Amino acid sequence: DAKTTQPTSMDCAEGRAANLPCNHSTISGNEYVYWYRQIHSQGPQYIIHGLKNNETNEMASLIITEDRKSSTLILPHATLRDTAVYYCIAGGSNYKLTFGKGTLLTVNP
Amino acid sequence: NAGVMQNPRHLVRRRGQEARLRCSPMKGHSHVYWYRQLPEEGLKFMVYLQKENIIDESGMPKERFSAEFPKEGPSILRIQQVVRGDSAAYFCASSPLASGIGYEQYFGPGTRLTVT
Repeated sequence: DAKTTQPTSMDCAEGRAANLPCNHSTISGNEYVYWYRQIHSQGPQYIIHGLKNNETNEMASLIITEDRKSSTLILPHATLRDTAVYYCIAGGSNYKLTFGKGTLLTVNP
Repeated sequence: NAGVMQNPRHLVRRRGQEARLRCSPMKGHSHVYWYRQLPEEGLKFMVYLQKENIIDESGMPKERFSAEFPKEGPSILRIQQVVRGDSAAYFCASSPLASGIGYEQYFGPGTRLTVT
């Protein structure tokens, strides 16, 4: 899997968009970008994934740069329940998800 | 549609005892993955199983740990002669097809093992 770099922590005001960046400059052509989150002590929750194109689902949007070296997860209207550690994982050639330290997103009222 | 089930949610064992952790994948999922999360650390891959087969156990300690996913019933992660360093949260995940080629993994709530 490609190495990923994420900020250690971010803050966001409730109701505003949360934009979480991820750098994966060594990603190879067949590797997907996955985003998971872990709300305090719970099991990781799948959010979204993509290969080349931008993706959107009911939870979030994923913007992948054209060179695929970085991506941004967007939570359009953050709520207090979105406070969690967000993990960006660049992989796809195998099934082993490699969780780094992630970004602790704190949504403030 | 029930999600991934794990039990027990909390397990306390004394040093030297055995711990058995169970995982029932989501309905229709035949691929199971186990991860371990030590306190204040990220999740680490342990083992990947399909029904009746261990596909990859490269993340499992060589001693005392074993895993199975029988034809019928849940997947079992077994830890023999537990030590304090085994205290961690153990998460199971499942997927309908081999994860990685665009298929996401769905995680259970975890089993928190405490060794006293």
